[in-house]
Amino acid sequence: GAVVSQHPSRVICKSGTSVKIECRSLDFQATTMFWYRQFPKQSLMLMATSNEGSKATYEQGVEKDKFLINHASLTLSTLTVTSAHPEDSSFYICSGREGDRGNEQYFGPGTRLTVT
Amino acid sequence: GQNIDQPTEMTATEGAIVQINCTYQTSGFNGLFWYQQHAGEAPTFLSYNVLDGLEEKGRFSSFLSRSKGYSYLLLKELQMKDSASYLCAVSYQLTFGKGTKLSVIP
Repeated sequence: GAVVSQHPSRVICKSGTSVKIECRSLDFQATTMFWYRQFPKQSLMLMATSNEGSKATYEQGVEKDKFLINHASLTLSTLTVTSAHPEDSSFYICSGREGDRGNEQYFGPGTRLTVT
Repeated sequence: GQNIDQPTEMTATEGAIVQINCTYQTSGFNGLFWYQQHAGEAPTFLSYNVLDGLEEKGRFSSFLSRSKGYSYLLLKELQMKDSASYLCAVSYQLTFGKGTKLSVIP
């Protein structure tokens, strides 16, 4: 199956700083990448969808100036949480979808962000 | 908008069969997915239904009725390792239900 990696797996940062999370598709070209957030005991919430070379499409309620998404290549997308606050502490998961594989999305292992 | 409902928790016995139901209301539909998620880990793909009927894959089967907005995931010969959350997700951009936490007991 297709593999997606995320880095870092865990990160702790201080309030007010920025954190970048990388999402890579290792053995396929992800024409579309998705970023999700999951709070404890809750389901995954889609934050944004990005297509390679295009601006990301953000879901309602997600601040695009706070959560910067870059999808510069078919194998890499990054999510930068700017001016992080403790309420941004969450589990961030990316997924990638290859155009000719239909709708199946392949998930990364997730990044646990803790803002102190 | 989209609304997806699943039971919050279920408990079943090792070796038994369990059915997890999912009902949905969506403005558009392009398939229904089931994912398994262990605590602290990312979801892993289990099944995909786009047409009505039953899809079988080993110990796991998934059923879809588009007219009823209904799906279920059937797990047979339950094993302890099947204890996890099971997420129902619909449409082109996956919108997830809240998940069903399944506990398998000896």
